[in-house]
Amino acid sequence: QVQLQESGPGLVKPSETLSLTCTVSGGSISSYYWSWIRQPPGEGLEWIGSIYYSGSTNYNPSLKSRVTISVDTSKNQFSLKLSSVTAADTAVYYCAGGFTIFGVATLDYWGQGTLVTVSS
Amino acid sequence: DIQMTQSPSSLSASVGDRVTITCRASQGISNYLAWFQQKPGKAPKSLIYAASSLQSGVPSKFSGSGSGTDFTLTISSLQPEDFATYYCQQYNTYPLTFGQGTRLEIK
Repeated sequence: QVQLQESGPGLVKPSETLSLTCTVSGGSISSYYWSWIRQPPGEGLEWIGSIYYSGSTNYNPSLKSRVTISVDTSKNQFSLKLSSVTAADTAVYYCAGGFTIFGVATLDYWGQGTLVTVSS
Repeated sequence: DIQMTQSPSSLSASVGDRVTITCRASQGISNYLAWFQQKPGKAPKSLIYAASSLQSGVPSKFSGSGSGTDFTLTISSLQPEDFATYYCQQYNTYPLTFGQGTRLEIK
């Protein structure tokens, strides 16, 4: 059973870069597609982007200019960087893993989520 | 982007009831639809993929149907642990998009 665990700072200052890592266990990072999703407090779910182990990425157009997702196969980890953050980026950030349907990722396995607050 | 619209946004029901939640896509997505259950303070849990296939370990009280633009999630014989928020999500094309959620509350 694939398990995911997010890690990273819980507090980020405005205009700085949010950085999170997701560690994968119970499965090879080379076998699945990997994604980041976020959920502002009291709101719904927003997909941020997805990556395959090869490094191929897809990003939400609404965030594309600020997002970078990368994968480190040697550590069985993948990461999220979101630049120039504002209070609107305050959310619980989830990492997820799944399979692919014609190159589009599914979201079958989820981490527990980590709250990131943007505040000075 | 494909817009996903769920109805109702909230629903009150009693233990033992059967409920149905609908999800409509702004354009055809074949059967590339998933349903998730989220309890307060927890991560979403995948219940159904490909519109009607149950994830491993999900009880058969959950069922999904539909294709194209209109989909339903039905939960039979509601138990206290079923009261949660449910989301639909399309994976036909990027960007992946979710419905706004349906909050299922105890009457």
